[in-house]
Amino acid sequence: GAVVSQHPSWVICKSGTSVKIECRSLDFQATTMFWYRQFPKQSLMLMATSNEGSKATYEQGVEKDKFLINHASLTLSTLTVTSAHPEDSSFYICSARRIGGLTGELFFGEGSRLTVL
Amino acid sequence: ILNVEQSPQSLHVQEGDSTNFTCSFPSSNFYALHWYRWETAKSPEALFVMTLNGDEKKKGRISATLNTKEGYSYLYIKGSQPEDSATYLCALNQAGTALIFGKGTTLSVSS
Repeated sequence: GAVVSQHPSWVICKSGTSVKIECRSLDFQATTMFWYRQFPKQSLMLMATSNEGSKATYEQGVEKDKFLINHASLTLSTLTVTSAHPEDSSFYICSARRIGGLTGELFFGEGSRLTVL
Repeated sequence: ILNVEQSPQSLHVQEGDSTNFTCSFPSSNFYALHWYRWETAKSPEALFVMTLNGDEKKKGRISATLNTKEGYSYLYIKGSQPEDSATYLCALNQAGTALIFGKGTTLSVSS
């Protein structure tokens, strides 16, 4: 099967620091990766679409300068939460679309729980 | 704003019971409807990708149906087992958009 690995699973940081989350497709290539955020009892909300070799496309209301996305290779995308604040505490999860896969089918990482103190 | 609704939010059944839950979505510009199973501390796992009105898909004891004209899909689990305990997500794929998720239905199966 297609495996996506996300790291770290848990991170606690102080307010004002930056946190980087990595998303790797381990056994397939992904031209497109998606970053979602989930607040308690809410649905997964799309933050941005990351395309290999180009700038990410951000959803309305998501600050691109705060949530830096880099997709430098076909197997790795990173999300950096810059100058994190307590309101950024959330569950972040990435997903990848496999080249040649079923239309719209996504493979997810395990997610990263961020707590900002 | 697109709204994908799932009901119930949660349910608890006994081992051996059959159960079903609903996903409702806007029927315009429909492209595909996805079902995922999400166990705690694991990655969401794709169950079905459904594209055709009237489609019915089956995977073991789990099956799903799709009505694109009225905008709903049902997920059925026959003879629930404790290992079926998870959150079941549906997600709408409209043409040219990323997946829009519902909040999920959390199923708990007691032995």
